[in-house]
Amino acid sequence: ETGVTQSPTHLIKTRGQQVTLRCSSQSGHNTVSWYQQALGQGPQFIFQYYREEENGRGNFPPRFSGLQFPNYSSELNVNALELDDSALYLCASSLSPSGSTDTQYFGPGTRLTVL
Amino acid sequence: AQTVTQSQPEMSVQEAETVTLSCTYDTSENNYYLFWYKQPPSRQMILVIRQEAYKQQNATENRFSVNFQKAAKSFSLKISDSQLGDTAMYFCASAIHGTASKLTFGTGTRLQVTL
Repeated sequence: ETGVTQSPTHLIKTRGQQVTLRCSSQSGHNTVSWYQQALGQGPQFIFQYYREEENGRGNFPPRFSGLQFPNYSSELNVNALELDDSALYLCASSLSPSGSTDTQYFGPGTRLTVL
Repeated sequence: AQTVTQSQPEMSVQEAETVTLSCTYDTSENNYYLFWYKQPPSRQMILVIRQEAYKQQNATENRFSVNFQKAAKSFSLKISDSQLGDTAMYFCASAIHGTASKLTFGTGTRLQVTL
């Protein structure tokens, strides 16, 4: 059973560019959540995907968008990058959105730096 | 909306000693979950312990236990027999029942275990 993986590990972009981050969920998990963790802060919920549909969104603008594929891997896309988008982006997978009895597993994150 | 507050930015404990990390939260929900996550320098968030609000009994996981005070909206983590490997950022988090995979995190407490 493989864990949650994310790519790339690090990424440097300039303001105004677009970026795509990728997440491969744990085997058998159909729910993927994305979080943004600014330096020195706790993670903030961006959105969640369940069976290829968005299933809830945090307080992030529309330029943050996502996809989930039939194999339940996921992408986070950010358009028109801003300096404040510099952060560690975490994805987490779970067996279901309710997560009432299962555990949510986190990936190691992608460190995005916007210059 | 839920909020989670961790008032201790940093703490230090000697190996084999006991330390308690504080967390308070606010929610209008009656049924919810509370979590403690550990984030070591490797950045991968690991679940330490979880508590369901309707359960009065405090959760325990080996050396880790919580003191859940529902009326006071307090959820502290006690680490007994601290080990060097416990050095990490510790995040308290909450989630509404039925959406346990959408977490609201606190700002974290950096724990240093020393010899």
